[in-house]
Amino acid sequence: GQQVMQIPQYQHVQEGEDFTTYCNSSTTLSNIQWYKQRPGGHPVFLIQLVKSGEVKKQKRLTFQFGEAKKNSSLHITATQTTDVGTYFCAGPWGLTGGGNKLTFGTGTQLKVEL
Amino acid sequence: KAGVTQTPRYLIKTRGQQVTLSCSPISGHRSVSWYQQTPGQGLQFLFEYFSETQRNKGNFPGRFSGRQFSNSRSEMNVSTLELGDSALYLCASSSSSFGAANTGELFFGEGSRLTVL
Repeated sequence: GQQVMQIPQYQHVQEGEDFTTYCNSSTTLSNIQWYKQRPGGHPVFLIQLVKSGEVKKQKRLTFQFGEAKKNSSLHITATQTTDVGTYFCAGPWGLTGGGNKLTFGTGTQLKVEL
Repeated sequence: KAGVTQTPRYLIKTRGQQVTLSCSPISGHRSVSWYQQTPGQGLQFLFEYFSETQRNKGNFPGRFSGRQFSNSRSEMNVSTLELGDSALYLCASSSSSFGAANTGELFFGEGSRLTVL
């Protein structure tokens, strides 16, 4: 199946440092979503971006959708141990008709050390 | 509101057997999607059902099948199990409406972890 690359694949940070993950697409997207999966858990929806150049903030998390709607980023300011997990972007790549067919990115695994 | 419920949570099968996994979506959600998650391939889309109709399908062999009932509950079946089918199978429901091209937020269940020996 289609894979969407996220970079980096892994990131180890010290608590308090910032973290950014990037999601890149070769095609324009109607929207992009971000999910977080804690170790041993299931993906949990964080946010959906729809507009070109859109920036949304959730406390220490900042999400951005590129002007061309081909890329997106998630930035976490001053990481905490509760931020540990894998962050996935997800979008309707390969969706030709209606419905819910989300393709997930390869994910970025974040580890936070004290 | 109860979340997405998947059963069983864990199961062990041997090669050649078949398995059926069950998913009860959030009340009122008519869209149910299934994903396979493995360390090597990540999260891979299997199929999506809406009002008992398969609306989208991923690139999996015909051994993987699913269905949805009138109460929106869904099952997926894998026949002739192979070692590579060992994975976490995740079900997700959504309030997406029929014909909508804009994908909606997915609510995932805890998953069914399948081990094939």
